[in-house]
This record gives sequence, structure tokens and C-alpha cells, in this order.
Amino acid sequence: DGGITQSPKYLFRKEGQNVTLSCEQNLNHDAMYWYRQDPGQGLRLIYYSQIVNDFQKGDIAEGYSVSREKKESFPLTVTSAQKNPTAFYLCASSFWQDYNEQFFGPGTRLTVL
Amino acid sequence: QKEVEQNSGPLSVPEGAIASLNCTYSDRGSQSFFWYRQYSGKSPELIMFIYSNGDKEDGRFTAQLNKASQYVSLLIRDSQPSDSATYLCAVIEGRGYQKVTFGTGTKLQVIP
Repeated sequence: DGGITQSPKYLFRKEGQNVTLSCEQNLNHDAMYWYRQDPGQGLRLIYYSQIVNDFQKGDIAEGYSVSREKKESFPLTVTSAQKNPTAFYLCASSFWQDYNEQFFGPGTRLTVL
Repeated sequence: QKEVEQNSGPLSVPEGAIASLNCTYSDRGSQSFFWYRQYSGKSPELIMFIYSNGDKEDGRFTAQLNKASQYVSLLIRDSQPSDSATYLCAVIEGRGYQKVTFGTGTKLQVIP
């Protein structure tokens, strides 16, 4: 089955800790994205990557880091510099062509204790 | 700041009725428009996309685009309780550029 997987589904972090969220896709998509969703708000773009070894900051990149060493994988690290990390994190992927729609993984819910 | 505006709702419709969801956008150069459905606690699921002015139908769903007026709408015919969810409007700014701006969503409640 083709799709996007994210792990873990739930994650708890103590203040001051870095945590890494996993995102893997087997859709052969070129581009991958990380979004954050807070209650009552739309999705906000954190980082995106068009190709391997290249990525761009989105609207709210501060306190986050990413890597894109493989086409299939785009992990997100939430660092201790992110002051309010409790949120629902969504990974998406798409072909990098005109008009191609983004498909989402199931999400990771991060809670800071 | 490019914006995508949606009424947050909730929009309540009786089962079997037509639900009409609206979205306006600020960037006149926007090219691609998407509707996602998001159930509570779940990730968004793409249900419709439209690129050209006019209507596009897929089963019980119809997307309508009016670029001159900068709005896109989603009609759901014969609404079912399973349609109860938040519907997100998403807009891509231009060709070959995949940065998407999402609206905050409209919550739809279909009353049995």
C-alpha cells in the first residue's frame, strides 16, 4: 500500500528536551512538508523540501530543524528553542509539478509536560 | 500576507439537505484550489480540487470557482451525518510553486 506514515502517534516531551518526529512516504513524491495545527487554527507551514538534501523554511521555522537525506524520509526535530511546541504535527507530500495536490500522513500529537 | 478566509461555523444542516461552504482568498494570482475534510483528531483528507473557473462535480460534491470574485465554494448534496467534519479550503499561489495557504476551516454538522 502506498502512503505516508508518521510516528509516533502521540509524543510527550519534557521542557528542555529535543524530540524528533518521523515521516516516511512510499508514493515516490518529490516534495515533502511539515505543518503545525493548533486548536481553532489553520495549518501553518514549518519547513518544506523539493528534493533530497534541500529544504526551505516555512512561515514558522524557528525552533524546528529538518533533514532530507532520502527521498522517502523527512524527519522533523522540535528543539528546546521552540517555546510552545504542544500541537498536532502533520507531514504531507506531493509531486513537485503544476497543480499537484498534497497528501497528509496521520499526524503526531506532541504534548509538553 | 496572503489570506484564505472561511466562516468557522458551525454550519448546521439537516440530513439530506445541501451544505454550502464558502472560501475567499486574497491573492488574485492564485491558481489551484483544494478542499480537505478533517474529522476531529484526524489528518486532512483531500476531497476536491479545482483549477478552472466554473463547476466541478464528483459524486455528491461540487466545487465552484470564481476567480474574478476570488471565491471558491463546496456544495455537498444529500448531506449525511458522516459528512460532519471540518472542511479546509487551501490555495496554491502559482504554477510550479507548491506553498499552500490554508483557511482555518468551517465546521459542518449534519443533523439526523
